[in-house]
Amino acid sequence: GDSVTQMEGPVTLSEEAFLTINCTYTATGYPSLFWYVQYPGEGLQLLLKATKADDKGSNKGFEATYRKETTSFHLEKGSVQVSDSAVYFCALNNFNKFYFGSGTKLNVKP
Amino acid sequence: SQTIHQWPATLVQPVGSPLSLECTVEGTSNPNLYWYRQAAGRGLQLLFYSVGIGQISSEVPQNLSASRPQDRQFILSSKKLLLSDSGFYLCAWSRQGVRSETQYFGPGTRLLVL
Repeated sequence: GDSVTQMEGPVTLSEEAFLTINCTYTATGYPSLFWYVQYPGEGLQLLLKATKADDKGSNKGFEATYRKETTSFHLEKGSVQVSDSAVYFCALNNFNKFYFGSGTKLNVKP
Repeated sequence: SQTIHQWPATLVQPVGSPLSLECTVEGTSNPNLYWYRQAAGRGLQLLFYSVGIGQISSEVPQNLSASRPQDRQFILSSKKLLLSDSGFYLCAWSRQGVRSETQYFGPGTRLLVL
């Protein structure tokens, strides 16, 4: 069946460091891919998405590129801030069924 | 614009007591609706989803049930809570029939069973 695998956390970085959170997926057909962010005590918010191969989603300095050849959708940011500390979830939508990774906690230290 | 509400925000219940969590969506019609549970420090577990009134699919066997009495209302229930039912419960919705559609989440209900 369809599934999403993302790197385990926590990831601890200093402010202004480069961020990569790896995400790979298994799916039949052509799913859409998403990154969500969850701040403490809150629900999930959509961060960015990509709907077809080679699409790049971007928002708030975060980027991820839909790589069909490697079935990946890695999240990157060039310079993280303390306010980026949160849990990040990779997800896919295939025929209106959503599958989520286990989440990666990011801690950014000043 | 669309909004999704969940209540209560926090709930403390004794073991063996009943449960009713409510979720409503505004600003859209005929949405897909979902209930997830998130254990502390863990990922999301899909509990139920619904594509229409009275249509409920259960993803995992458990002590919980769900109902959709109205188009934009989704209720999560239990007759007798277990300690293991503690967690953060999230309701979500998405538009039907759109492959690229995003899922939108409510603010969540934190349930503690003692």
